[in-house]
Amino acid sequence: EAQVTQNPRYLITVTGKKLTVTCSQNMNHEYMSWYRQDPGLGLRQIYYSMNVEVTDKGDVPEGYKVSRKEKRNFPLILESPSPNQTSLYFCASSLKDNAIYEQYFGPGTRLTVT
Amino acid sequence: QKEVEQDPGPLSVPEGAIVSLNCTYSNSAFQYFMWYRQYSRKGPELLMYTYSSGNKEDGRFTAQVDKSSKYISLFIRDSQPSDSATYLCAKAGAQKLVFGQGTRLTINP
Repeated sequence: EAQVTQNPRYLITVTGKKLTVTCSQNMNHEYMSWYRQDPGLGLRQIYYSMNVEVTDKGDVPEGYKVSRKEKRNFPLILESPSPNQTSLYFCASSLKDNAIYEQYFGPGTRLTVT
Repeated sequence: QKEVEQDPGPLSVPEGAIVSLNCTYSNSAFQYFMWYRQYSRKGPELLMYTYSSGNKEDGRFTAQVDKSSKYISLFIRDSQPSDSATYLCAKAGAQKLVFGQGTRLTINP
C-alpha cells in the first residue's frame, strides 16, 4: 500500500530534550515536506526537500532541522524543543517538486512540549 | 492579508443538502488549486485539484476556480454523514502548498 508513515504518532517531552520525528514514504517520491498545524493558523510549511541531499527552509523553520540522506526518509529534528513547538506535525510527499499539487500526507505526530 | 482565506465555520447541514465551501486567495502567480479533506485525528487527504480557471467534477464533488474574482469553491451534492470532516483549500506556491484555515463541516443524519 502506497503511504507516508510517521513515528511516533504521539509524543510528550520536556523543554530542551532533543527529539526526532521520522517520516518515510514508499512511493519513490522525490519531493518531501514537513508542515505544522495549529488552531487558527492552519498548515504551515517548516522545511522541504526536492531530492536526496537537497533541503530548504519553508515559512517557519526556526528551531527545526531536517536531513535527506535517503530518498524514502525525511526526519524532522528538534534539537532543543520549546513549548511553542507544541503542535500537530505532518510529513508529505509528491512525485516531483513540479507536482506538489498532488501531495500525500502522513497520519500526523502530535507533539507536546512541557 | 493571508494568501488563502477560508471561513473556519463550523458549518452544519442536514443529510442530502448541497454544501458550498469557499476560499479567496491573493497572488495569482500560481495555477494549481486543491481541496483536501481531513478527518479527525488523520492527515489531510487530497480530494481533487484544478488547474487555472474552470470546473472539475468527481462524483458528488465539484471544484471551481474563478481567477477573475480569486475565488475557490467546493460543492458537495447529496451530502452524507461520512462527509463530516474539515475541508482545506490550498494553492500550490513555489515549493509549497499554501493552505486556508479549513472549514469544519458536519452532516446531520
